[in-house]
Amino acid sequence: AQSVTQLDSQVPVFEEAPVELRCNYSSSVSVYLFWYVQYPNQGLQLLLKYLSGSTLVKGINGFEAEFNKSQTSFHLRKPSVHISDTAEYFCAVSPSGGYQKVTFGTGTKLQVIP
Amino acid sequence: DAGVIQSPRHEVTEMGQEVTLRCKPISGHDYLFWYRQTMMRGLELLIYFNNNVPIDDSGMPEDRFSAKMPNASFSTLKIQPSEPRDSAVYFCASSARDRGRFEQYFGPGTRLTVT
Repeated sequence: AQSVTQLDSQVPVFEEAPVELRCNYSSSVSVYLFWYVQYPNQGLQLLLKYLSGSTLVKGINGFEAEFNKSQTSFHLRKPSVHISDTAEYFCAVSPSGGYQKVTFGTGTKLQVIP
Repeated sequence: DAGVIQSPRHEVTEMGQEVTLRCKPISGHDYLFWYRQTMMRGLELLIYFNNNVPIDDSGMPEDRFSAKMPNASFSTLKIQPSEPRDSAVYFCASSARDRGRFEQYFGPGTRLTVT
């Protein structure tokens, strides 16, 4: 079984400042990793995913994440946030090598302050 | 592509009534998922299907919940009888395993309120 920990439930940040949202996972097998974003009153939307290859993954809206196997982390970063980035962000993990269910973290609410 | 379609978007019902939530996945997707989202418990996977067959229903909270997928383009989640603690946003998602595409596409959700 796998699990995901998002330690920060809320992250306030000023507009145009950088941000990092932390995600750690636990799994006994190789994994695929994902970041999803949920805007108010909407469903989740995929930001980026790591399946294999380069550990630095770039996604939509200027976000990127780095897979660190030794630290079992997949932190999400953006060098300069915009008001429109205000949303809730979910880290997720699934076992690789065959489709199995995805486990989501508890989410981090990013609040961008003007 | 129209995306995942869910209906209704909002449902208010009284305790004890039957509730049916509907989902139309993206055409060509072979996996379908039902999730429940609440403030207290976050996002929970209730059940998922592959090629219309239920694969894992271990997240279904109790026998009052049931889900079906009669064909590749339609699924229902039924709660009978409903209780106030079932109030939540219910999401349907679909995905396609071909070519390594494992990301899930979520619908807009159904906000259920049981009074």
